[in-house]
Amino acid sequence: AQKVTQAQTEISVVEKEDVTLDCVYETRDTTYYLFWYKQPPSGELVFLIRRNSFDEQNEISGRYSWNFQKSTSSFNFTITASQVVDSAVYFCALSEGKGGGNKLTFGTGTQLKVEL
Amino acid sequence: SQTIHQWPATLVQPVGSPLSLECTVEGTSNPNLYWYRQAAGRGLQLLFYSVGIGQISSEVPQNLSASRPQDRQFILSSKKLLLSDSGFYLCAWSVRGTGPYGYTFGSGTRLTVV
Repeated sequence: AQKVTQAQTEISVVEKEDVTLDCVYETRDTTYYLFWYKQPPSGELVFLIRRNSFDEQNEISGRYSWNFQKSTSSFNFTITASQVVDSAVYFCALSEGKGGGNKLTFGTGTQLKVEL
Repeated sequence: SQTIHQWPATLVQPVGSPLSLECTVEGTSNPNLYWYRQAAGRGLQLLFYSVGIGQISSEVPQNLSASRPQDRQFILSSKKLLLSDSGFYLCAWSVRGTGPYGYTFGSGTRLTVV
């Protein structure tokens, strides 16, 4: 069975600090997909990134960057120069590469609070 | 462009009353559809998913049921609500095809059973 662990329940930083959100996953499949979602106070989940298991290249998008390491089964998310608008709950998720409806398994989320 | 609509946004229902939450998707055909529940602890639990009209898979035995009467319509129902049914319900869709794609979520329904 697949599993996603986000050990950090809550993180508080001061604006402009860098922050890394950890994600560790478990799966028996060799083909799988990893995701990050952002949930602002409004509740709606916003898709941030998808990464497949064959692509270990790190990705950078503006202030966001993702570090995928298969050797440690981790897919960590870093926000550089954090801003108050980054305050949200962030979810890491995993989907195996088979059919069956593309089900996602979510971690329990990390609440990020960015203060002035 | 594709959009997903979910309503109502908030709902307060007494214990024992019925429930019907509706979700519709526009701008795509043959989507995979999902219902998730987010309880107070923030975790997202998959309740049901559907890969086609009339095809429903249940992930967790519970007091709820789902139906897909049309290709882009997904309904979550209950005949008699329990206090434990309170939570934030999210509908989502994804492209059906080769390989998992990210979900697009609706704006959610906050259900309080009193």
